[in-house]
Amino acid sequence: IAGITQAPTSQILAAGRRMTLRCTQDMRHNAMYWYRQDLGLGLRLIHYSNTAGTTGKGEVPDGYSVSRANTDDFPLTLASAVPSQTSVYFCASSEEVTDTQYFGPGTRLTVL
Amino acid sequence: GQQVMQIPQYQHVQEGEDFTTYCNSSTTLSNIQWYKQRPGGHPVFLIQLVKSGEVKKQKRLTFQFGEAKKNSSLHITATQTTDVGTYFCAGLTGGFKTIFGAGTRLFVKA
Repeated sequence: IAGITQAPTSQILAAGRRMTLRCTQDMRHNAMYWYRQDLGLGLRLIHYSNTAGTTGKGEVPDGYSVSRANTDDFPLTLASAVPSQTSVYFCASSEEVTDTQYFGPGTRLTVL
Repeated sequence: GQQVMQIPQYQHVQEGEDFTTYCNSSTTLSNIQWYKQRPGGHPVFLIQLVKSGEVKKQKRLTFQFGEAKKNSSLHITATQTTDVGTYFCAGLTGGFKTIFGAGTRLFVKA
């Protein structure tokens, strides 16, 4: 079944550690996104990629980096995790930036 | 910066009552999309509105896009327990960026 997957499902991480959240889609969508969701704040865009090889900063990019080496994968890296990065992280993709977004199941990250 | 405000933040209703959530943008939008997120789940696309004044229906759900393309609403008639979740609007700006509202969390009491 076509879709978008994320790994891990959940993770507890010590502050200061490096962590990469994985996101893969098999729909050949050009655009991909990373959001964090915190209670009462909705979905906040961290980084996005309009097409393979390009990335851009969203609303809350500090402390995060992304890469888009190919169409399918869009990993999100926390270079040195801090407790304020405790959140649920959703990856999404869309055929083009103007189109419907399809969300992955999310990664629940806790930084202690 | 550009913002999409959504109200109310949450709403408690008795099963069978109606529910409405409103979305307002500081700038004109190219389109607006609505998503539903069940508790513990991920956002799922419901509908997209593109035209000024557009109204679309999905069973008990009615979606409207304002004449100025700066506001939108989602109305649910006769809520059911299956309607529980958070409803998000997402506006596409002229700069081809999608901005999500903070969501309205709906609680339905049986």
